[in-house]
Amino acid sequence: AQSVSQHNHHVILSEAASLELGCNYSYGGTVNLFWYVQYPGQHLQLLLKYFSGDPLVKGIKGFEAEFIKSKFSFNLRKPSVQWSDTAEYFCAVNAPLGTGRRALTFGSGTRLQVQP
Amino acid sequence: DVKVTQSSRYLVKRTGEKVFLECVQDMDHENMFWYRQDPGLGLRLIYFSYDVKMKEKGDIPEGYSVSREKKERFSLILESASTNQTSMYLCASSPLHGAQQLNYEQYFGPGTRLTVT
Repeated sequence: AQSVSQHNHHVILSEAASLELGCNYSYGGTVNLFWYVQYPGQHLQLLLKYFSGDPLVKGIKGFEAEFIKSKFSFNLRKPSVQWSDTAEYFCAVNAPLGTGRRALTFGSGTRLQVQP
Repeated sequence: DVKVTQSSRYLVKRTGEKVFLECVQDMDHENMFWYRQDPGLGLRLIYFSYDVKMKEKGDIPEGYSVSREKKERFSLILESASTNQTSMYLCASSPLHGAQQLNYEQYFGPGTRLTVT
């Protein structure tokens, strides 16, 4: 089975601090990569995605992520966080299941708390 | 906008009861998914369906079954609910892009928080 590792489980930052959340995955073939965000009381929303091309992808609300194939990584970054970024962030990889079909495998999530 | 709706936001059931969780999507998507979300474990795939009457097991299918009789509706069934099935259940859908199913994103419903006592 594929695996996705998010090393930071709980991150606390002050407003205007820079953010980097780590994500590593195990599948060595072609992958699509995603970051989803879940704000308190809301459902999962897509933050950004990588399908192909430029490994640096930009998403909503000033977030970006860099795909480094050699490191099997897709880290999320934001230069200056805001209180409204307080949420849980999930990295996900679209990789094959044992049947050959594909589905998303999610990391365990990182809870970000931004203090005003 | 894609809309994925789930029949209940909160549900409380007793051990041994049969539980149905319903999910409906309005974008004619081929794929539908059921996940459970637990603190510290992220989202884990229970079952998914890529067509009407078709289903495949995900990572944690034990204790669950699914039904897809119509394209827009995907039901998760707990045949005999147990306390370890207390969780948040999320439904998602996505379009089908080619045989390799690459380049798609999933759209999520609001979730059903199930408590089994």
